Amino acid sequence: GNSVTQMEGPVTLSEEAFLTINCTYTATGYPSLFWYVQYPGEGLQLLLKATKADDKGSNKGFEATYRKETTSFHLEKGSVQVSDSAVYFCALKGSNYKLTFGKGTLLTVNP
Amino acid sequence: EAGVAQSPRYKIIEKRQSVAFWCNPISGHATLYWYQQILGQGPKLLIQFQNNGVVDDSQLPKDRFSAERLKGVDSTLKIQPAKLEDSAVYLCASSLGNFGSLREETQYFGPGTRLLVL
Repeated sequence: GNSVTQMEGPVTLSEEAFLTINCTYTATGYPSLFWYVQYPGEGLQLLLKATKADDKGSNKGFEATYRKETTSFHLEKGSVQVSDSAVYFCALKGSNYKLTFGKGTLLTVNP
Repeated sequence: EAGVAQSPRYKIIEKRQSVAFWCNPISGHATLYWYQQILGQGPKLLIQFQNNGVVDDSQLPKDRFSAERLKGVDSTLKIQPAKLEDSAVYLCASSLGNFGSLREETQYFGPGTRLLVL
């Protein structure tokens, strides 16, 4: 079946540091890939997505590239802010159109 | 545009009691989802509706969980009787439900209902 593996947190960074959260997946066919973010006390929000190999999703300074050869979709941001503190979920949608989530990575950014 | 609404936001009950959660999706969204998110894990799909019909309930514990979506709009998820392991956040999500773009379609999530079973 489909599965998503994210790097375990928590991740703690200082403001303006570089962020990478690793995500790899297992799926048959050609899934769509997503990053969702969950701010404290709020629901999940779509951060970015990519629907085919080599696509790059980007939003709010975050980027992730769909790498089929390594089955990866790593999230990156060049300079994090305190307001980026949240839980980040990698997810895929496969041929059954169901979202499968990773366990989430808690990011804390200190001023 | 109003988002997905859920109530209540928090609920504390004792085991063997019953509880119900309510969800109002984004207007015009045909597809509605209920997820269970246990602490430290990603959301797990419990049930998916397309309008007022069930598309997928393969991971719904049907001996104690039930859900309905009357008139294809609002939805209610019920647990009866509750167990300790049901303590979790219950998320409702909705999407347009266009069959031509299901693979890429964005799901919009509500704030969730946090359930604690004592």
